[in-house]
Amino acid sequence: DTGVSQDPRHKITKRGQNVTFRCDPISEHNRLYWYRQTLGQGPEFLTYFQNEAQLEKSRLLSDRFSAERPKGSFSTLEIQRTEQGDSAMYLCASSLSWAEQYFGPGTRLTVT
Amino acid sequence: AQKITQTQPGMFVQEKEAVTLDCTYDTSDQSYGLFWYKQPSSGEMIFLIYQGSYDEQNATEGRYSLNFQKARKSANLVISASQLGDSAMYFCAMREVRSTGNQFYFGTGTSLTVIP
Repeated sequence: DTGVSQDPRHKITKRGQNVTFRCDPISEHNRLYWYRQTLGQGPEFLTYFQNEAQLEKSRLLSDRFSAERPKGSFSTLEIQRTEQGDSAMYLCASSLSWAEQYFGPGTRLTVT
Repeated sequence: AQKITQTQPGMFVQEKEAVTLDCTYDTSDQSYGLFWYKQPSSGEMIFLIYQGSYDEQNATEGRYSLNFQKARKSANLVISASQLGDSAMYFCAMREVRSTGNQFYFGTGTSLTVIP
């Protein structure tokens, strides 16, 4: 088992462009989470999937953000019409139980 | 109100000494979980330790222990015998079972530097 993986690790994009990030959870982990982390802050919850169902979305997740987990395995997070304020580290985590969470290495997004 | 408060932006500890990182939390749920994560400069969040609100004994994992004081709503992390590799950001987090069961709330973190 290689842990949670995220792709790409770094993304630089121009304001107004769309970006998509991928997360591959630990195999057999049915729970998947997305977070955003800005410099000097802890991770902020964005959304949660149990299998393919998106069960919870934070108010932080504006209409420009969408996440999917079509087959209950990998997940994608898309940001449309990126803004400079979207620059952050986007973290994915997965788990099998309520009392744990294993994070991936993150995707660092820079919007110029 | 902040769900998780970490009041120490930075801490220093001599190698081989013990250090306590403070964390207080705010919840009205009776059932919740408390977590500590380590984030080295590489950026990956590493799970360290978990304490359930109904657990009577303090959680321990190797050199890490969680000093859980329910009445005070504190969940301090104690690292014994500090090593240079312990230098990192440390985040306290909470998950409530009832009200926001799928969300983890993280504090702003404490930067720990271990001095040789």
